[in-house]
Amino acid sequence: AQSVTQLDSHVSVSEGTPVLLRCNYSSSYSPSLFWYVQHPNKGLQLLLKYTSAATLVKGINGFEAEFKKSETSFHLTKPSAHMSDAAEYFCVVSDRRNQFYFGTGTSLTVIP
Amino acid sequence: DTEVTQTPKHLVMGMTNKKSLKCEQHMGHRAMYWYKQKAKKPPELMFVYSYEKLSINESVPSRFSPECPNSSLLNLHLHALQPEDSALYLCASRQGSNRARGREDTQYFGPGTRLTVL
Repeated sequence: AQSVTQLDSHVSVSEGTPVLLRCNYSSSYSPSLFWYVQHPNKGLQLLLKYTSAATLVKGINGFEAEFKKSETSFHLTKPSAHMSDAAEYFCVVSDRRNQFYFGTGTSLTVIP
Repeated sequence: DTEVTQTPKHLVMGMTNKKSLKCEQHMGHRAMYWYKQKAKKPPELMFVYSYEKLSINESVPSRFSPECPNSSLLNLHLHALQPEDSALYLCASRQGSNRARGREDTQYFGPGTRLTVL
C-alpha cells in the first residue's frame, strides 16, 4: 500500500530565507511523486513531479525536490522564500492503478 | 493547455434544493475525478470516471450523484444536502492511460466550487 507523511503541519520562514518542506512516502515499488500548492480558496496547482527520471526535479517558481530512495523521501526546497509562497503544500504519491494518495499538508507562512 | 474549469465558483443552497456542479476539460483526458475538501485538510476522493464509466465510488452518500455525459464533461448533482456537506469541491482530470508514465500520471485540478449548505 502507498502512503505519504508530511512531517510538519506548519512551517514558518522569513522572507528571503530557504524553505524546506518534508515528505516521506511508503510504496512497494518505485512510485510517482508530486508536490502541489494551494493558495486560499483556490484549486491545487502542480509544482513538480518525479517519475523515475532524474532524482533532482525542478519545478515552477524556483522550487525543487530530490527523490531519495534510500530515505524514502521527497522533500521540497526553495533557496529564498517570497511572500507569495505562503500557501498550503501537499505531497502526493500515485500507485500503479493511478490512485493518488495525499499527505496531510504543510501550511507555509512567510514572515516579512 | 492544462486547464480544468469548474462552475459555479460559489454556491449557496438550502437543504431541500437541487443543484449541480459542472467540470470541463479539453485536454483529451479520459479520467476525471471529484474531490471534497474541508478547510485545512487534504482533498478526499469521492468519485472517479474512467473512459466515461464510473470506476470508483468512495462510499459517497446518494445525495451526491455524479454524471459523465461525455469525455470532456463531469457533473455532480446535489440533492437534500446537509450543512456538513459545505466544503470546496474540486474536479481533476488525468490522461487516463495505465501503461505510459510521464505526463499521463499527472492530475490537473480545477479551481473548485465553494459550496455552502444552509
